[in-house]
Amino acid sequence: GNSVTQMEGPVTLSEEAFLTINCTYTATGYPSLFWYVQYPGEGLQLLLKATKADDKGSNKGFEATYRKETTSFHLEKGSVQVSDSAVYFCALRGSGGSNYKLTFGKGTLLTVNP
Amino acid sequence: DTGVSQDPRHKITKRGQNVTFRCDPISEHNRLYWYRQTLGQGPEFLTYFQNEAQLEKSRLLSDRFSAERPKGSFSTLEIQRTEQGDSAMYLCASSPGGRDNQPQHFGDGTRLSIL
Repeated sequence: GNSVTQMEGPVTLSEEAFLTINCTYTATGYPSLFWYVQYPGEGLQLLLKATKADDKGSNKGFEATYRKETTSFHLEKGSVQVSDSAVYFCALRGSGGSNYKLTFGKGTLLTVNP
Repeated sequence: DTGVSQDPRHKITKRGQNVTFRCDPISEHNRLYWYRQTLGQGPEFLTYFQNEAQLEKSRLLSDRFSAERPKGSFSTLEIQRTEQGDSAMYLCASSPGGRDNQPQHFGDGTRLSIL
């Protein structure tokens, strides 16, 4: 079946530091890939997506590139802010018969200190 | 801009009681999903509706769980005879029909605590 593996957290950074959160996946066919962010007490918000190999998703300074050869979708941001503190989830949606449900990683807690 | 709405936000109940949660999707989204999220984990898929038809149920959804979407708009998730292990955040999401790569939009969830 489909699966997503994220780097273990928590990740603690100082403001303006560079962020990378690793995500790799296992899936058949051509899945779509997503990063969601969850702030305390809230639901998940879509951060960015990529639907085919070599696509780069970007939003609010965050970027991730769909790498089929390494089955990866790492999240990066060049300069984090305190307001970026949240839990980040990598997710995939399979192709073919299971192309509606999302499979999530366990999430990575990011804390950014001033 | 109305997003996905879930009610209640929090539910505390005693073991053995029945609970029901409601989800109102974004209007005109004909796909609706339920997920369960336990502490420190990512959400896990429970079930999926396209309009009023329930097209898939996860094995996580025991026979104590039932979900409905009677008119293809709002949905309810009922848990009968609740157990300690049912304590979790229950998330609802919706997406438009048509193209399969449309993202799912999530509500803020209902947090269930079983005493």
